[in-house]
Amino acid sequence: GNSVTQMEGPVTLSEEAFLTINCTYTATGYPSLFWYVQYPGEGLQLLLKATKADDKGSNKGFEATYRKETTSFHLEKGSVQVSDSAVYFCALSDADYKLSFGAGTTVTVRA
Amino acid sequence: DSGVTQTPKHLITATGQRVTLRCSPRSGDLSVYWYQQSLDQGLQFLIQYYNGEERAKGNILERFSAQQFPDLHSELNLSSLELGDSALYFCASSVVGGKDEQFFGPGTRLTVL
Repeated sequence: GNSVTQMEGPVTLSEEAFLTINCTYTATGYPSLFWYVQYPGEGLQLLLKATKADDKGSNKGFEATYRKETTSFHLEKGSVQVSDSAVYFCALSDADYKLSFGAGTTVTVRA
Repeated sequence: DSGVTQTPKHLITATGQRVTLRCSPRSGDLSVYWYQQSLDQGLQFLIQYYNGEERAKGNILERFSAQQFPDLHSELNLSSLELGDSALYFCASSVVGGKDEQFFGPGTRLTVL
């Protein structure tokens, strides 16, 4: 079946540091890949997506590239802010309709 | 604001009771999904409806049931509640399904005492 593995947190960074969260997946087909973000006390927000190999999703300074050869979709941001403190979830969606999520990575950015 | 609404925001009840969680999808979306988020299980897919019909089922307990009405809103019914059912329940919607991105509501936090 489908599964997503993402690096365990928590991750603590200083403002303006570089952030990377690793995500790898296992899928039987050709999934779409997503990063969702959950701010404290809120629901999940779609951060970015990629629907086919070599696609790059980007939003709010975050980027992730769909790498079929390494089955990866790592999230990166060049300069984080305190407001980026949240839980980040990598997810995939395949023809079975549901989203399969990773365990989530808690990111804390200190001023 | 994703456009997906869920009520109530919080629900506190006792073991053995039955509750109903409600979800209204984004305007134009035909698919509704239910997810459970707990500390030990993470985010788990429960069930999906498309235009009133059940389309996919995940790790949903027999004590739980759902339906989608003609106006496309959905309800998740949880019965014979146990302490372990305490969790955040999210509803999401998408245009059709498959590999579409899903938009999540703010969730209902259920506490079973």
